[in-house]
Amino acid sequence: NAGVMQNPRHLVRRRGQEARLRCSPMKGHSHVYWYRQLPEEGLKFMVYLQKENIIDESGMPKERFSAEFPKEGPSILRIQQVVRGDSAAYFCASAQLAGDQETQYFGPGTRLLVL
Amino acid sequence: DQQVKQNSPSLSVQEGRISILNCDYTNSMFDYFLWYKKYPAEGPTFLISISSIKDKNEDGRFTVFLNKSAKHLSLHIVPSQPGDSAVYFCAASGLNTNAGKSTFGDGTTLTVKP
Repeated sequence: NAGVMQNPRHLVRRRGQEARLRCSPMKGHSHVYWYRQLPEEGLKFMVYLQKENIIDESGMPKERFSAEFPKEGPSILRIQQVVRGDSAAYFCASAQLAGDQETQYFGPGTRLLVL
Repeated sequence: DQQVKQNSPSLSVQEGRISILNCDYTNSMFDYFLWYKKYPAEGPTFLISISSIKDKNEDGRFTVFLNKSAKHLSLHIVPSQPGDSAVYFCAASGLNTNAGKSTFGDGTTLTVKP
């Protein structure tokens, strides 16, 4: 049973380009959470999705950032026109049940570097 | 305004001794607390949790204590082992409100010396 997969593990973009981060949840998990970790800081909640629905995007910047979790395929976090301040580690977590953090499994993260 | 604070960025202890990691929170709506362990280049892994109806939860070498009146929790690891060296994150959520969304502290890097 594979764990949460994230790809790419490392992503380098120049300012103004788009970044696409993918998260494949564990088998049977239909809840996905995205977090961002800036250097020397903790993880900050960005968005919570279920299949085909955004449930809570209160932590997501209003501009340039979007997320989706289609019926088929991985969840995608998209950052348009990246800026240097977007450089961070982006983690996704998946869960079988909403609200059950003990069985919320994190992926290894995608480290985004914006030059 | 940081709602979950881990005031010690780092902690170093000797193998076999007790490690005590501390966490303070400000939001009285939080009623569920978790500790995660994170190794470099990996995602956080769940360690232990406690709900606000308890003041202690124990799992093997790990014990979490909750002092609701002080809005403080701590993680005790005893005896500490070199493999415990990692970054430890305290996280908090509202059981009935946040559906799995957690607010994290900035982490404490624990180093256990052999």
